[in-house]
Amino acid sequence: EAQVTQNPRYLITVTGKKLTVTCSQNMNHEYMSWYRQDPGLGLRQIYYSMNVEVTDKGDVPEGYKVSRKEKRNFPLILESPSPNQTSLYFCASRGRGGYTFGSGTRLTVV
Amino acid sequence: ELKVEQNPLFLSMQEGKNYTIYCNYSTTSDRLYWYRQDPGKSLESLFVLLSNGAVKQEGRLMASLDTKARLSTLHITAAVHDLSATYFCAVGPPNTGNQFYFGTGTSLTVIP
Repeated sequence: EAQVTQNPRYLITVTGKKLTVTCSQNMNHEYMSWYRQDPGLGLRQIYYSMNVEVTDKGDVPEGYKVSRKEKRNFPLILESPSPNQTSLYFCASRGRGGYTFGSGTRLTVV
Repeated sequence: ELKVEQNPLFLSMQEGKNYTIYCNYSTTSDRLYWYRQDPGKSLESLFVLLSNGAVKQEGRLMASLDTKARLSTLHITAAVHDLSATYFCAVGPPNTGNQFYFGTGTSLTVIP
């Protein structure tokens, strides 16, 4: 089954403790992206990657890092999380029919 | 800055009624997508509209695209409770690679 797999689904952490949210797709898509979703603000793009070793900032990249060492994986790294990064995060990959989204990661930073 | 606006933001409608959700965007685009999101769930692709005048239908939902007016509509026919969800449109302008811009979403509640 074609899918985008994110882990974990839920995460509660403390301010400043580094964390990584993993994302993997099995559709051989070149393009992958991370979004955060906040009430009233819709979906905002954090980072995207056009291909392996090619990444670029989206609209809200501050406080986040990504890497794309292999085509299927696109992890999101928060080096020093802060409470304003509490949000619902989605990874997505894009093919001909548009985006396929992961199931989401609900992150709470206390 | 590209803007994608959806109207209405919230919609409560009775079962059996018809309604239309509007998606306006501020720059040229030849690609428009509609997604559905159930509470606490991920986004599911509904329609892909790739040309002016494109019309797609699936069950009680029909989407159309007018690139000249920079407008897409999502029409709901004879609504049923199962259609309750949040609907997003997304635009992929030319010369932006694969970047998408999402509308803020329309939260639809269908009342029995």
